[in-house]
Formats: sequence, C-alpha cells, structure tokens
Amino acid sequence: SQKIEQNSEALNIQEGKTATLTCNYTNYSPAYLQWYRQDPGRGPVFLLLIRENEKEKRKERLKVTFDTTLKQSLFHITASQPADSATYLCALDDNQGGKLIFGQGTELSVKP
Amino acid sequence: GAVVSQHPSRVICKSGTSVKIECRSLDFQATTMFWYRQFPKKSLMLMATSNEGSKATYEQGVEKDKFLINHASLTLSTLTVTSAHPEDSSFYICSARSGNLNTGELFFGEGSRLTVL
Repeated sequence: SQKIEQNSEALNIQEGKTATLTCNYTNYSPAYLQWYRQDPGRGPVFLLLIRENEKEKRKERLKVTFDTTLKQSLFHITASQPADSATYLCALDDNQGGKLIFGQGTELSVKP
Repeated sequence: GAVVSQHPSRVICKSGTSVKIECRSLDFQATTMFWYRQFPKKSLMLMATSNEGSKATYEQGVEKDKFLINHASLTLSTLTVTSAHPEDSSFYICSARSGNLNTGELFFGEGSRLTVL
C-alpha cells in the first residue's frame, strides 16, 4: 500500500540547534516533494519544493534533501528559533492530476 | 504570494442542518481547487478535487452526496456539508495552485472549523 510517513509526531530541540525532520514514502514515484509549515488553527504555508532530479534545496535557514533511492526527504532548520515552533508537513504528488498527499506532520518545539 | 480566502473561519450548527464554506482565490485564477479535511493532530486528508465548470472528483470513501462541491467560477469553489452530524465536525481547508497545475505550490485558505452540535 502507499504510505507517506514523517518520522516522529513531536520533536523538541534547544534554540540555536539544527532541527532535522524526516519524511519517508512507500509505493510512490513522486516527481517532486514539498514541505509546508502549519500553525495551530491555520492553513499550511508553503516552504520549499524539491524535484526528483535535485539532491538538495536551500532557502535561508532551511535545507531540504531528496533521495529517490532511499525514498526519503530530510528537512533541516539551522540555528533554530522559538518562532520556528510549528507543525511541519511533507507532501508529494501522486502523478494524478496535481493532487498532493500529505504526511501526518511533525510538531517541532524550539525551547529558548 | 497568491492569496486564498476561506469563509467562514468558524461555524457552529445544529445536527441535521447544512453548512456552506466558500473558498476564493483573490489574485489569481484557479481552474482546480482542492478540499482537505483535518482532524486534531492528524494530517490533511484530501476529500476532493474541484474543477471549474465540471463535477468534482472525490477521493475514495468520501460521500459525494454528503459533501457537495461546486466550482462555479475560476475564483470560487464552495463545499456544502449537507445534513451535518457531530462526526462531520472537523477543520476543512481549501487550496489552489497558481501557475503550473502539476508542479506549483499549493496556496491554502485559513481553514474553516466546523462544529456540529
């Protein structure tokens, strides 16, 4: 069966450290993968998109990797800040008309 | 970035009534919009793909007669929860793509929290 899983429901780290979130998928062949941030009671906000032929993508303190052999994407936030505390969702296309399928999310908490 | 507006943000209704949620793309035209449902601390579950000028495409297990979707124009899609029951209480979120349908980022509305008493 098809699955998209994020490694943990919750991740607690100290301010200034690097947060690393994992997204694994099974029985999908996505052309790209996206990461979103969601704050409580709000809709998700797009952060980064990485294509299957890209190994790594960066945007300010954010870095995403995509390994199609391992079927895994890693999402890093360097020099984390309490304001980075939120739920982070990975999503991939299912090659059917542009639909995005989401992982269950990882709730990141950055302590000062 | 593109803006998607969703209304109402919160609605409380009695069991058996119908509720309509609107989703508008404010500064771009969206031929396709997506409706998601989210339970507390759970992921977004795709309910249906709303296509402008044609019938929505529903995901497996989603009742078409329960969740009526209309995409009347390039900037407006509506979701009507008919004969709502307490189990329909959830967070409903719409989204749309600006640009390339297959690769563009999704812009989400702020979500609508439905509580059925």
